[in-house]
Amino acid sequence: GQNIDQPTEMTATEGAIVQINCTYQTSGFNGLFWYQQHAGEAPTFLSYNVLDGLEEKGRFSSFLSRSKGYSYLLLKELQMKDSASYLCAAVDSNYQLIWGAGTKLIIKP
Amino acid sequence: GAVVSQHPSWVICKSGTSVKIECRSLDFQATTMFWYRQFPKQSLMLMATSNEGSKATYEQGVEKDKFLINHASLTLSTLTVTSAHPEDSSFYICSARDVEGADNSPLHFGNGTRLTVT
Repeated sequence: GQNIDQPTEMTATEGAIVQINCTYQTSGFNGLFWYQQHAGEAPTFLSYNVLDGLEEKGRFSSFLSRSKGYSYLLLKELQMKDSASYLCAAVDSNYQLIWGAGTKLIIKP
Repeated sequence: GAVVSQHPSWVICKSGTSVKIECRSLDFQATTMFWYRQFPKQSLMLMATSNEGSKATYEQGVEKDKFLINHASLTLSTLTVTSAHPEDSSFYICSARDVEGADNSPLHFGNGTRLTVT
C-alpha cells in the first residue's frame, strides 16, 4: 500500500533550526510537496522536490532522497509565526497526492 | 499568483438541511478540482475529484449521493452536502491545478469552509 510517515508533533525554540522528516512508500513517484497549514486555514505551498538534493528557499529548505524514500523540511531562524502544521505529500505514478498526517510544530519563545 | 476562492468560509446548519459550498479559480482555468475534508488534528482526506463537464470521481467510502459535486465551468466547482448530520461537521477544502500546469504542479487551495451541523 501507499504510506507517508511524519512525526505527529515537534517543539522548537524561537531562533533555532528544526528538521521535519517524512518517509514515503508509493506506487511510482513523481515528486514530493511540503505544505504549511495554520490552524483553521487551508494549506499553502512551500516546496516541491522531484530530484535528489537540497532546495533552498529563504529560511526554508527541502531535501529529497529518492533511493531512501525520504525527505525533510528544514526551517531556520524560527519565528513564532512558523507555528503550524507541516504536511508532506508524495505524488504517485497516477499523479495522485498521497498525504501525510502532518507534523504540528510548536515554537516556544 | 493563482487564487482559489471558496465560499462560504463557515456555515452552521440544522440537521437534515443541505449546504452548498462553492470553489472558484479566479485567475486561471481548472479542468480538475479536488475536494478534501479535514477533521481536527487529522490530515487532508480526499473526498472526490471534480472534472469539468463530466461526473466526479469519488474516493472509496464517500457517498456520491450525499456529497453532490458539480463542475459546470472551468472556474467553478460546487460541493453540496445533502441532508447534513452532525457527523458531517468538518473543515472542507477545495483545491485546483491550473489547466496549463503539469500534473505534478502545486495545488492551489481555497481558504476552506468550516461546516457545523447542529
